[in-house]
Amino acid sequence: DAKTTQPTSMDCAEGRAANLPCNHSTISGNEYVYWYRQIHSQGPQYIIHGLKNNETNEMASLIITEDRKSSTLILPHATLRDTAVYYCIVRVQSSGNTPLVFGKGTRLSVIA
Amino acid sequence: GAGVSQSPRYKVTKRGQDVALRCDPISGHVSLYWYRQALGQGPEFLTYFNYEAQQDKSGLPNDRFSAERPEGSISTLTIQRTEQRDSAMYRCASSLEPLGALSSYEQYFGPGTRLTVT
Repeated sequence: DAKTTQPTSMDCAEGRAANLPCNHSTISGNEYVYWYRQIHSQGPQYIIHGLKNNETNEMASLIITEDRKSSTLILPHATLRDTAVYYCIVRVQSSGNTPLVFGKGTRLSVIA
Repeated sequence: GAGVSQSPRYKVTKRGQDVALRCDPISGHVSLYWYRQALGQGPEFLTYFNYEAQQDKSGLPNDRFSAERPEGSISTLTIQRTEQRDSAMYRCASSLEPLGALSSYEQYFGPGTRLTVT
């Protein structure tokens, strides 16, 4: 899987939008961008994924650049409970389930 | 419904002892994954199964580590002759059957087993 680069940490004020960037300049045409988060000592939790179109669900929005070399996860109204480590992962879609390759992620701190 | 469960939640063992960590996936999930997570790091892939077949064990650090899933449900990760460097959080995840050519996109993680080797 392609390597991703994320900032080590970010702060965001409660109620404001949190924009988490991810660089994946070597992404291949058949690789999706996934985002997971890990709150404190819990297991990682799926947030969203996409190929080339922007995606939105009840948790977040995913904006992927046209050249697909970078993406941004947007939490529109961050709350204190969104404080977590956020992982950007690129993953080949294939005929079968495959494991996730995690990097170090971005530690997001939401501040009251 | 019930999520992924792991037992024990905490295990302290002496160096040289064998340990067995258990994972009970979500009912009906065909894929089961084992990861290891050191403090301050992201989870690191160890091995995974589709049904009872072990698909990839390239992430197992050495031959002291093994895993099985004999009936395609519960899985056991065994570490023989434990060493202090094996201390970590061991996490299990499961996912549904692939949808045709697409990987099932969501993996559900359990609470983990915190292993401490003294």
